[in-house]
Amino acid sequence: NAGVTQTPKFRILKIGQSMTLQCTQDMNHNYMYWYRQDPGMGLKLIYYSVGAGITDKGEVPNGYNVSRSTTEDFPLRLELAAPSQTSVYFCASNPTGNPGYTFGSGTRLTVV
Amino acid sequence: QQQVKQSPQSLIVQKGGISIINCAYENTAFDYFPWYQQFPGKGPALLIAIRPDVSEKKEGRFTISFNKSAKQFSLHIMDSQPGDSATYFCAAGANTDKLIFGTGTRLQVFP
Repeated sequence: NAGVTQTPKFRILKIGQSMTLQCTQDMNHNYMYWYRQDPGMGLKLIYYSVGAGITDKGEVPNGYNVSRSTTEDFPLRLELAAPSQTSVYFCASNPTGNPGYTFGSGTRLTVV
Repeated sequence: QQQVKQSPQSLIVQKGGISIINCAYENTAFDYFPWYQQFPGKGPALLIAIRPDVSEKKEGRFTISFNKSAKQFSLHIMDSQPGDSATYFCAAGANTDKLIFGTGTRLQVFP
């Protein structure tokens, strides 16, 4: 039982490049989330999903896109990377009826 | 109304002391108040959580105190240990809706 798995752990991107942050969970959780963590700013919600085929914007969605084709996977796409997207990204999930999140170990992204 | 305000931003406590972190919320629809613990290089992990039908919940050295009328809740760490050194986040949510997180408190416990 691996929980929530995020890849890659680290990545350096040049301005204007694109990439996909991967997130997979093996707990059959319906709810999945993407947060970004910046120093002193806490965790800001980027996108979330309540089930396969359903996604919605969070607090800071600009510059990102998501898809949810399966229950297990919730990738986050960055198009045209900008320095403001330098951050640590966390994926999380929880089952229906239980609000306690399980977080992945994060992806540290630097845009230069 | 969706904010959760957390203080202090950082906290230094001597081993054996009590660490106290406070959070305040505005949305009276919130009914779930968890605390998460995060070690460097790791994702946050659920530490303890409370619902508004009780005023206190204790798990080992960790206690949540909840004041519904003041819309405040706090984490108390008794007999703080160096291994407790981490960043702590409070959060709040309604039903199974997405959680709103506080800005975090970096706790350092010195021997």
